[in-house]
Amino acid sequence: EPEVTQTPSHQVTQMGQEVILRCVPISNHLYFYWYRQILGQKVEFLVSFYNNEISEKSEIFDDQFSVERPDGSNFTLKIRSTKLEDSAMYFCASSLLDFFFGQGTRLTVV
Amino acid sequence: KQEVTQIPAALSVPEGENLVLNCSFTDSAIYNLQWFRQDPGKGLTSLLLIQSSQREQTSGRLNASLDKSSGRSTLYIAASQPGDSATYLCAVITQAGTALIFGKGTTLSVSS
Repeated sequence: EPEVTQTPSHQVTQMGQEVILRCVPISNHLYFYWYRQILGQKVEFLVSFYNNEISEKSEIFDDQFSVERPDGSNFTLKIRSTKLEDSAMYFCASSLLDFFFGQGTRLTVV
Repeated sequence: KQEVTQIPAALSVPEGENLVLNCSFTDSAIYNLQWFRQDPGKGLTSLLLIQSSQREQTSGRLNASLDKSSGRSTLYIAASQPGDSATYLCAVITQAGTALIFGKGTTLSVSS
């Protein structure tokens, strides 16, 4: 069964450093997403991406965040200068009709 | 702004019980509703998708219903098993957007 793949599964970074989280969506899907889940809290929408551009973003997705689809398969989330409060599980998802989520990247900012 | 609420927040039942998880949403103009399962520290596994034109969907022991006009969905789990223990998340896409908006989830514990 096709699946969304995320790497790395866990990343520890120093405050102020840049991180790039990577995702390989399901190949025939058209919409791609990033979500985050702070420990013990709800899953929150960050950004959706369609036809090589952002189609919707939340208030969380400020200038520190960016997304890119550098080739035909990868979809990345970059955080330019990480803060302690960016520590969370980050999920990538893709959809054609229903949504499929990856296993997540646990980001720890120290 | 779409808000999704799930009741109860937590539920403990003995094995074999049938149970109902509730989800409500404030904007009834939804495109789809999807139920997910999340195990601790893991990703989200899709359980059922209900499109706005549908009233219910079934998969094995799971049955999800949708009443758009009242802004409600229920997930019915028949003959619960310890392996069903997880957090169940309800999420909707409104017709105005592309994002899936989540509730906080119901954490289910099934004891043997």
